[in-house]
Amino acid sequence: GENVEQHPSTLSVQEGDSAVIKCTYSDSASNYFPWYKQELGKRPQLIIDIRSNVGEKKDQRIAVTLNKTAKHFSLHITETQPEDSAVYFCAASIQNYGQNFVFGPGTRLSVLP
Amino acid sequence: GAVVSQHPSRVICKSGTSVKIECRSLDFQATTMFWYRQFPKQSLMLMATSNEGSKATYEQGVEKDKFLINHASLTLSTLTVTSAHPEDSSFYICSARDFAGLATSEQFFGPGTRLTVL
Repeated sequence: GENVEQHPSTLSVQEGDSAVIKCTYSDSASNYFPWYKQELGKRPQLIIDIRSNVGEKKDQRIAVTLNKTAKHFSLHITETQPEDSAVYFCAASIQNYGQNFVFGPGTRLSVLP
Repeated sequence: GAVVSQHPSRVICKSGTSVKIECRSLDFQATTMFWYRQFPKQSLMLMATSNEGSKATYEQGVEKDKFLINHASLTLSTLTVTSAHPEDSSFYICSARDFAGLATSEQFFGPGTRLTVL
């Protein structure tokens, strides 16, 4: 089955700097890769996703890149703000009827003012 | 985005009692819902996949007789923790996928239920 690894487990950056979180997956059949942000005690919220037919996707300060050959994808947050502080989870899935997500272990991001 | 509700948000119960948690998709039909368990500072661990009108599919290591799942309609799935013990204390989160359009892959999460077993 699919296995998703995520690094780093914790990340501290100064406000205004960039943050990068990397994930690797094992199943080459996976073709959908979402990123979720979870604040303490709250539900995970989708922040960006990418499908395997695309190498990069950007939404304002957030971007995701995908390398299918190497089976890894990364989340990039630029101009970080204190409200970006949260736990971020990557996931991998086969975009098909009823397929569940396999989540990475999460990265706790702290943006220091 | 689509809205998923979960009830109750918090529950405290005595050891040995059963607790039912409801997960509802409010503005879409969810043929499939997922139940996750999350320990403090850890990731989301899939417990089971709940399919409307059929038996749930449990992940390895999850006791189906302890965690009863019923998906009786396209908008409601329930998780019942039977004979709860302190080690069952956790944050339980459901999610649902909107299959109105198969191109949509996003899972929408409920707000979670924090279960504390005394």
